[in-house]
Amino acid sequence: EVQLVESGGGLVQPGGSLRLSCAASGFTFSSYDMHWVRQATGKGLEWVSAIGTAGDTFYPGSVKGRFTISRENAKNSLYLQMNSLRAGDTAVYYCARALEDGGMGFDLWGRGTLVTVSS
Amino acid sequence: QSALTQPASVSGSPGQSITISCTGTRSDVGSYNLVSWYQQYPGKAPKLMIYEVSKRPSGVSNRFSGSKSGSTASLTISGLQAEDEADYYCCSYAGSSTFDVVFGGGTKLTVL
Repeated sequence: EVQLVESGGGLVQPGGSLRLSCAASGFTFSSYDMHWVRQATGKGLEWVSAIGTAGDTFYPGSVKGRFTISRENAKNSLYLQMNSLRAGDTAVYYCARALEDGGMGFDLWGRGTLVTVSS
Repeated sequence: QSALTQPASVSGSPGQSITISCTGTRSDVGSYNLVSWYQQYPGKAPKLMIYEVSKRPSGVSNRFSGSKSGSTASLTISGLQAEDEADYYCCSYAGSSTFDVVFGGGTKLTVL
């Protein structure tokens, strides 16, 4: 089955760190650009990071310098290392697959993992 | 990058057509034919409905169509059905000097 499964979410104190994982299956993971997208409760979607098939990485200003996206193709896995977490980072974090050939669109999503930043 | 602007809510009766707008700027929607639309039910992950302004992924009903004029993209749903009631988000590539992606704030579609 073609799917993405996130894990690693939980409760963390402000200033703390957390590492999210996303396990891919049913497709050739190494051939796709991958992204993380988050959604605060009752709010809209926000792009968090991207990694290309060659390992090039991209971030919006809101997380640049604090978050690091990485991938391990041999394990069909995507990661998001989140440091210096703030209350505003509280959200469900989804991993998402970009369209084939680097197309702009996310055609496969995981169910998400909840990150709560609170003391 | 600022979020794209969508109406907070739209509504329509079964069988009718509705259109959801998504207004950006010359830095995102206006510069790239890389607008996508997502449908999201409460508590569920988003689903890709339209990509590259007007293309439909396999399996998406042809009742869903997309278009763009200037810096405003639109999603039209024809022949509204009860199952279309959901939140809809637009998304655009927004990179100029570096890769960037921006989403709209979302639109709640109510089928009356």
